[in-house]
Amino acid sequence: DTGVSQNPRHKITKRGQNVTFRCDPISEHNRLYWYRQTLGQGPEFLTYFQNEAQLEKSRLLSDRFSAERPKGSFSTLEIQRTEQGDSAMYLCASSLAQGRLAGWFEQFFGPGTRLTVL
Amino acid sequence: DQQVKQNSPSLSVQEGRISILNCDYTNSMFDYFLWYKKYPAEGPTFLISISSIKDKNEDGRFTVFLNKSAKHLSLHIVPSQPGDSAVYFCAASEWEYGNKLVFGAGTILRVKS
Repeated sequence: DTGVSQNPRHKITKRGQNVTFRCDPISEHNRLYWYRQTLGQGPEFLTYFQNEAQLEKSRLLSDRFSAERPKGSFSTLEIQRTEQGDSAMYLCASSLAQGRLAGWFEQFFGPGTRLTVL
Repeated sequence: DQQVKQNSPSLSVQEGRISILNCDYTNSMFDYFLWYKKYPAEGPTFLISISSIKDKNEDGRFTVFLNKSAKHLSLHIVPSQPGDSAVYFCAASEWEYGNKLVFGAGTILRVKS
């Protein structure tokens, strides 16, 4: 399968615990994005990587959140000391960026990880 | 500040008729616009996009129209089919900002057979 995969699909945790999510992008894609979606809203940008470099972090991403993409392949998103407000769907997307003249390439999304913090 | 707005939370259309979904934006620097479709428990699926240098893009039953002066875009689905029932998200991006997507809140489309 060549799509974006995310694990786990569902995570239930207690407030104060740490959680880690994984995203495996489409293999040839150099950009990887994390978004968060809450009920009744569209996805909101959290952060993105070009290869292994994290190029931007949204102000939504508090110090409790950290993301990595070692070797420019899969990515992990860790939330420390979870709070009930962290409950959401966490979406990962990947795309191929080759410079502005090459045009725009759409982002392909994974199925998401639904986090519930009790 | 909501830079991308979808003011209709839901739309109900009869099978075979046209569905028109609307989207407004405020940031004149957006240079690419997209529509995604989402089923429950799945990630968004890309439908169609349009560059800011165009005013129309067509792909099969789906057509996106862009009116830059009004900062408005719309998605037309003709003819609508029951399988089109889903949540539709409008999104916009700027090349200068890594093409991160700014989404609207979505419109639930129900196509009745």
